[in-house]
Amino acid sequence: EVQLVESGGGLVQPGGSLRLSCAVSGFIVSNYDMSWVRQTLGKGLEWVSFIHTGGTPRYADSVKGRFTISRQNRKNTLYLEMASLRHEDAGVYYCARTRDSYTSDANRNNYYMDVWGKGTTLIVSS
Amino acid sequence: DIQMTQSPSSLSASVGDRVTITCRASQSISIFLNWYQQKPGKAPHLLIYSASTLHTGVPSRFSGSGSGTDFTLTINGVQPEDFATYYCQQSASDPPRGTFGPGTKVDFK
Repeated sequence: EVQLVESGGGLVQPGGSLRLSCAVSGFIVSNYDMSWVRQTLGKGLEWVSFIHTGGTPRYADSVKGRFTISRQNRKNTLYLEMASLRHEDAGVYYCARTRDSYTSDANRNNYYMDVWGKGTTLIVSS
Repeated sequence: DIQMTQSPSSLSASVGDRVTITCRASQSISIFLNWYQQKPGKAPHLLIYSASTLHTGVPSRFSGSGSGTDFTLTINGVQPEDFATYYCQQSASDPPRGTFGPGTKVDFK
């Protein structure tokens, strides 16, 4: 069964750091693109980070330079290292398997999240 | 950045009704549009990708249409399990710059 299980959320002070984990079962994490998507009161659903099968990481402008996405193949786990945390980073963080569908008219891929974890909650407060 | 809007923000429906939700992009996004369903306390769930392709296992009462800037999600004969919030998401921007709409909440009339 394909399953994603996030952990690592909690309470952190502004300026603090935290690492989120996403344990993957039912498929090999390095064989798929993967993403982190968060849901906050201020911005709703926001796609914050993406890692390509080849390992190239990408970030939303709102987290660039503060967040780091990675994966550990031996543990079949995806991570999100978060630093310099702000109040506006608070919310539920989901990991998601990311697929693509090629569109010949536009000669590029449409990316979508087909499997999601249940999420882990980050609270940023002093 | 491409902005996404949805209308209405909420609607009430009865079981068996036909429900239509509209999503509009601030610029043309071809068919790079996905739809998700989210129930309270749960993660989003993929319904439709590339504007009109039904994800595996999604009931055929769900359908999507549109291209360019205007898109529609239709539920033909809404069922009790369909009462949820629906989000569109554009993927014309390279990941992870694909933005979500603000959501449309469908509740029971």
